[in-house]
Amino acid sequence: AQSVAQPEDQVNVAEGNPLTVKCTYSVSGNPYLFWYVQYPNRGLQFLLKYITGDNLVKGSYGFEAEFNKSQTSFHLKKPSALVSDSALYFCAVRPPNQGGKLIFGQGTELSVKP
Amino acid sequence: DTGVSQDPRHKITKRGQNVTFRCDPISEHNRLYWYRQTLGQGPEFLTYFQNEAQLEKSRLLSDRFSAERPKGSFSTLEIQRTEQGDSAMYLCASSLADRGHFEQYFGPGTRLTVT
Repeated sequence: AQSVAQPEDQVNVAEGNPLTVKCTYSVSGNPYLFWYVQYPNRGLQFLLKYITGDNLVKGSYGFEAEFNKSQTSFHLKKPSALVSDSALYFCAVRPPNQGGKLIFGQGTELSVKP
Repeated sequence: DTGVSQDPRHKITKRGQNVTFRCDPISEHNRLYWYRQTLGQGPEFLTYFQNEAQLEKSRLLSDRFSAERPKGSFSTLEIQRTEQGDSAMYLCASSLADRGHFEQYFGPGTRLTVT
């Protein structure tokens, strides 16, 4: 079965420190990969995507993600966390040839403390 | 604001009643998706349209659920004979099915509570 796993329900980071939010996937073929962020009482906001090419992709608000095909991972990173980065983060996979639907992980709550 | 909009934002209904939600996508987007999100989980795909054609429905979409996109613009999602298990956030997203444009843009959601 196709799935996305975010192994950490919560990640705690001190402001100014680097952060990593982990994501692994199980999808056949070459999927497209995405990260979204959800703030309280707001919809999902697109952060970044990997389609093809360079394994390190850059997105909004200083976030980046590294695609690793051999490990089927797509971890989200930021060199220096801000308190305002505190939110719920979702990794999503778009399986090939399936009409564009996204399969989401269960989410990781990021908490950045001053 | 030219983002995806959804109406209503909140709906409380009694078990057995019918409800209908509306989604207005970004105007030039030809694909429209519906997802359902329950507390502590990621969104789950329900169905999607390309223009006015409904191209895929998830097994999650029981016979009580129906979606339409009559003119290829806005879409409605109707739930008949609601059950308590239908309580969730219903999310709409749109995208441009074109080379290089694969990200979906989400609306704020409609939170349904069935009492």
